[in-house]
Amino acid sequence: DQQVKQNSPSLSVQEGRISILNCDYTNSMFDYFLWYKKYPAEGPTFLISISSIKDKNEDGRFTVFLNKSAKHLSLHIVPSQPGDSAVYFCAATDRGSTLGRLYFGRGTQLTVWP
Amino acid sequence: NAGVMQNPRHLVRRRGQEARLRCSPMKGHSHVYWYRQLPEEGLKFMVYLQKENIIDESGMPKERFSAEFPKEGPSILRIQQVVRGDSAAYFCASSRQGANNSPLHFGNGTRLTVT
Repeated sequence: DQQVKQNSPSLSVQEGRISILNCDYTNSMFDYFLWYKKYPAEGPTFLISISSIKDKNEDGRFTVFLNKSAKHLSLHIVPSQPGDSAVYFCAATDRGSTLGRLYFGRGTQLTVWP
Repeated sequence: NAGVMQNPRHLVRRRGQEARLRCSPMKGHSHVYWYRQLPEEGLKFMVYLQKENIIDESGMPKERFSAEFPKEGPSILRIQQVVRGDSAAYFCASSRQGANNSPLHFGNGTRLTVT
């Protein structure tokens, strides 16, 4: 039972343009959402998070949007850079009951070309 | 200022052997999580430990798998009598307060191959 879904396995974007990565979830109890970035042969690196009391969180070139009614979140990267090429994982948790257990999507491979 | 340290980075075992994966959390972190990533999959939670305590092992297979986080030394994930389906990347993560209050910091993983 995949509670967090990333339906696009890959995304290709030109340098300087916007990258939009999407994520859907099914568990309405999730109240904290995170994006991780992963390079080959490395562990995931935390990128940005958002609490369910917000609908937007911004950190430099990265913005996460949350639509609770649609159970959907997205990560926007503007402007995209070649160094952003990596696998991006969406993750979610219910801070009230799961002791911080994170549920991950399968990831989206982002390729930013010059 | 070391991050989460995992060793070995690569581990090859024959079917039926034991695999031991080690994880040293970041300095000051007392919460450790183990995740497994099968090929083409996302990371799946296995177990959450604090020093000398298993808090949540609901993601760990009931047989052959065990985990510990002793008072001294690294956390250990042990897989007995490995099978080919255990081949995966195993990631350890740590946090200061528990992942429901602070983001997890992951190690670079141990890639287990069972031949």
